[in-house]
Order: sequence, then C-alpha cells, then structure tokens
Amino acid sequence: DAGVTQSPTHLIKTRGQQVTLRCSPKSGHDTVSWYQQALGQGPQFIFQYYEEEERQRGNFPDRFSGHQFPNYSSELNVNALLLGDSALYLCASRLQGAKNIQYFGAGTRLSVL
Amino acid sequence: KQEVTQIPAALSVPEGENLVLNCSFTDSAIYNLQWFRQDPGKGLTSLLLIQSSQREQTSGRLNASLDKSSGRSTLYIAASQPGDSATYLCAANTGGFKTIFGAGTRLFVKA
Repeated sequence: DAGVTQSPTHLIKTRGQQVTLRCSPKSGHDTVSWYQQALGQGPQFIFQYYEEEERQRGNFPDRFSGHQFPNYSSELNVNALLLGDSALYLCASRLQGAKNIQYFGAGTRLSVL
Repeated sequence: KQEVTQIPAALSVPEGENLVLNCSFTDSAIYNLQWFRQDPGKGLTSLLLIQSSQREQTSGRLNASLDKSSGRSTLYIAASQPGDSATYLCAANTGGFKTIFGAGTRLFVKA
C-alpha cells in the first residue's frame, strides 16, 4: 500500500515563473491538505480539498491555488513566484473525519532563484 | 486563533539520557494532538497521535501525554540514542480542516 506520494522531489524556478506540484493520497483517503514549510519553521497550512472543492484556506495569497481530481489526487499551483516562496511543500491525506490521522508525503523542495 | 509553541527550540544531550520535549497550545478545543519526527530536508514521520479523550500514548521508548485543560503536551524519550537526532514537531488538529504546527525542537544526541 503506497503512502502519500509527491512529485517532483526537487524543483528550481526563477522569480515570476509558475509551478505545479502534485500529490497522490494514500489509498482510501479522500481529503488532501497542502502545507508550506520554510527553513527552520513548522509547516503552515495552505488549504484543504475534499470532494474536489477547497474547504478551508490558510493565510496565503491568491497566487496559491489548487485542484483536486475525481481520483482524489491534487495539485498545488503557485503563480508569479517570489524568492520567499522557496520552501518544502508538504501534502497530507486522510479519510474525511475530524479525528482521523493525517499522513504526510516526503514533500517537494522548491527553490526560487 | 490556535497557536502552538514548542520549548526548547534546540536540545543537545548525551546518549542514554531521558528527555522531555514540551508543546503548548492556546485553544483547548482540539480533536487530537500529533507528534512528528522530521529528518533534515525530509518529510514528516508520525510518531504518536493522542485523541482529545486520551491522556497519553506510548510507542516503544516514546511516551506522549496530553493535558487539554492546561493546553500542554509532552513527548518523553527514554534512553536516547544518536539515531533519535532530528526535529520533533507537535501539531494540534483543530477540527479536521487544518492542523496547526509548532516550530519544532531540534534534538541532537551525542554518542
């Protein structure tokens, strides 16, 4: 049983470019959340998707957008990249339900030059 | 607004020592609290999950406690080993929509 998988593992972009990160949830999971982790800090919640809709959003600008597909996989898109967007982007999945445990992927390391 | 704080920010101990990592949260209305381990540049590995109705959870040399009324959780590591060196994160699940993380405690266990 594969866990949460993210691609790519590493990515280098330049300022102003756009990037798409991908996440496949753990088998049987229907809810996907995205987090941004800057160096030396804890992960910060970006947004969560369930039933192909964004359910909740953290304090991130509209440059950050996402999508969930019918197979529950998800994409995170970031437009007009800034140097400050350099971070580890983590995807987490779980089965819908307030008490259910989240499982995290290994993350995508994005470097913006 | 839920805020999670971890103390200390960094800790260095000799091998074999027992240690305690602290986590505090401002809003006691949590569904559960989770402890993670993160190795440098890597993703998160879940260590222990404590539901709001529970007081503690144990896994091997790890024991996590939860006191909702005081807004505190502790992670106890017994007989520490160099392989335990990592960053330990606690996270409060505030009702399923989002999880609030602390900044982590960086642990170094000296051989």
